[in-house]
Amino acid sequence: AQKITQTQPGMFVQEKEAVTLDCTYDTSDPSYGLFWYKQPSSGEMIFLIYQGSYDQQNATEGRYSLNFQKARKSANLVISASQLGDSAMYFCAMRGSLTFGNEKLTFGTGTRLTIIP
Amino acid sequence: DVKVTQSSRYLVKRTGEKVFLECVQDMDHENMFWYRQDPGLGLRLIYFSYDVKMKEKGDIPEGYSVSREKKERFSLILESASTNQTSMYLCASSLPAQGQNTEAFFGQGTRLTVV
Repeated sequence: AQKITQTQPGMFVQEKEAVTLDCTYDTSDPSYGLFWYKQPSSGEMIFLIYQGSYDQQNATEGRYSLNFQKARKSANLVISASQLGDSAMYFCAMRGSLTFGNEKLTFGTGTRLTIIP
Repeated sequence: DVKVTQSSRYLVKRTGEKVFLECVQDMDHENMFWYRQDPGLGLRLIYFSYDVKMKEKGDIPEGYSVSREKKERFSLILESASTNQTSMYLCASSLPAQGQNTEAFFGQGTRLTVV
């Protein structure tokens, strides 16, 4: 079984500060992928960043970086220099493999981030 | 531009009705997923499919079934709708991973209300 845990239901952060959103996961798959998605109030799901379980380096995409600690089974999202437009729900997700090509994509409960001017 | 299209944005159905939610993707993706999203519970996986006619139960399959007769179309069926199935339903698709980053692309969602 695979499970994603996001323990922060909501966060308030001052504009321009950095913010870390927590994500821990549990899986028995030796190979898996970790994703972060953003869902603004409009409801669309926006892909932010990906980390493969065998990737040696932490993933980065612009202001987003993923702090991947494999031994601790954590995949925290770091947003640098937060902006008002970062206010949204953020979901951590994991893709594992049941068999080759048969992949389950599981999401956490999300963190609602609010950026304060 | 990649696209996942859900047939309805809003739907109101009566208790006991059979409900079909349709999802079509134009990216030739093997994987397709159905989720429901509820406040405080995040996205919960109902069913997924990794090939035509292949399906796997997700975490909350009870009360739902799915159909995938063609690669581009994945249907979610509520055999007898109940009020506790009132929710936002999201469809997604992706390529098989094979060790690579294969992000899932989402539809716009269907807000279903069962009265």
